[in-house]
Parts: sequence; structure tokens; C-alpha cells
Amino acid sequence: ILNVEQSPQSLHVQEGDSTNFTCSFPSSNFYALHWYRWETAKSPEALFVMTLNGDEKKKGRISATLNTKEGYSYLYIKGSQPEDSATYLCAPLGGKLIFGQGTELSVKP
Amino acid sequence: DARVTQTPRHKVTEMGQEVTMRCQPILGHNTVFWYRQTMMQGLELLAYFRNRAPLDDSGMPKDRFSAEMPDATLATLKIQPSEPRDSAVYFCASGLGDSQETQYFGPGTRLLVL
Repeated sequence: ILNVEQSPQSLHVQEGDSTNFTCSFPSSNFYALHWYRWETAKSPEALFVMTLNGDEKKKGRISATLNTKEGYSYLYIKGSQPEDSATYLCAPLGGKLIFGQGTELSVKP
Repeated sequence: DARVTQTPRHKVTEMGQEVTMRCQPILGHNTVFWYRQTMMQGLELLAYFRNRAPLDDSGMPKDRFSAEMPDATLATLKIQPSEPRDSAVYFCASGLGDSQETQYFGPGTRLLVL
């Protein structure tokens, strides 16, 4: 079973700030890493699926990097907006998908 | 706009009653996942089907939970008998291929067992 840690647990930033958070996972038995965005009272929405060491993916102002050798992934948000407020979940796949507890992002106007 | 649908959206029941939750995956998707969201555990995988066959249900309490796919357009999660500790939001997700592919989540069924 993969132990997934996400940090920080919560983050409060001002509109326009750039931010990043971390997903850590055991580097052995790795197949893929998913990032999801989860707004309150809605269902998780897929952001990225990453499989290769060194992968970088981008979607608008959000980007992610992956280091499978050391077991971490970073999610970056450039110029945060209030609509970015959500919980960001990572889920590495090692046999089965295990979700982290998430980083709760709050962006104040 | 294809999306995963789940019914019911909300369910309140009494301890000991049977609960059946339904999921309609996106047409053409061949993998279906059932997740449970609780405050303590976060989002945990209960069961996983590919081409209607159960591949992994190790996250599911076997004594009271059962998951099936009677056909490609319907997945069910049943709890019998239900207990207060089963109160949670149950999400269904579907995808193409396997867990390496993007999963599309339904709106969830919010279950409260009194």
C-alpha cells in the first residue's frame, strides 16, 4: 500500500499570488500519478495523469511536475484566482489508486 | 456533455436497512470505480471493475457490502445491513482502460444511516 502525503494541508493566499504544493509517495512500485481538483459540494475533477519521471504538464495557469525517483510531484498555480479555491488531491498508482488527504487552497479576492 | 450519473443523490435510512446505490458510467467507458469519502479516511477506493468484471474489491467490507455490474451501463453498490458508520459520500467514477487513465467522477450519493 502506498503512503501518500500532501503538504501543506491547507493554504490561504491572496488573489494574484502564485502557489505550489507537494505530493510525496514511495518511489517503488510506481505506475502513474493523478492530480484532481475538488470543489466543495462537487465531485473530483481530473487535472493531470503523469507517468514518466520528469513529466511536466500544464493546463492554463496550473502546472505539475513529477519526480518518480525521489517520489514527489509538485502542483503550481500561477496568479491564483478565487475560483481556484478547492482541495487538490494527488493519487499515485501502485497496484491501485490511493488518494492523499489533499491540500485545501483558499484564494481571497 | 457525457457525464457519470449516480442515484440517489441523497439517502437517509435507518440502521439495518438495505441501501442500493446506482451508477451509470459514461457511455463507452469500460472501467468503473466506487469510492467512499469520509472525514477520517478521505477518499478511499472500495471496488474497481473493468469490462464488468470485478478486479479489486479489497477496500470493501465483504460482510455487508457488495458491488456488481449487471450490464455495461449500470453499476450497483449495495449495503446490507447498513450501519451508522457507513454514513459517507459514495462516488462512482468511470474511465477508459485502467487506473492510469483519467477517471471521471459522478456527483456522489450522500448516505446517512441513523
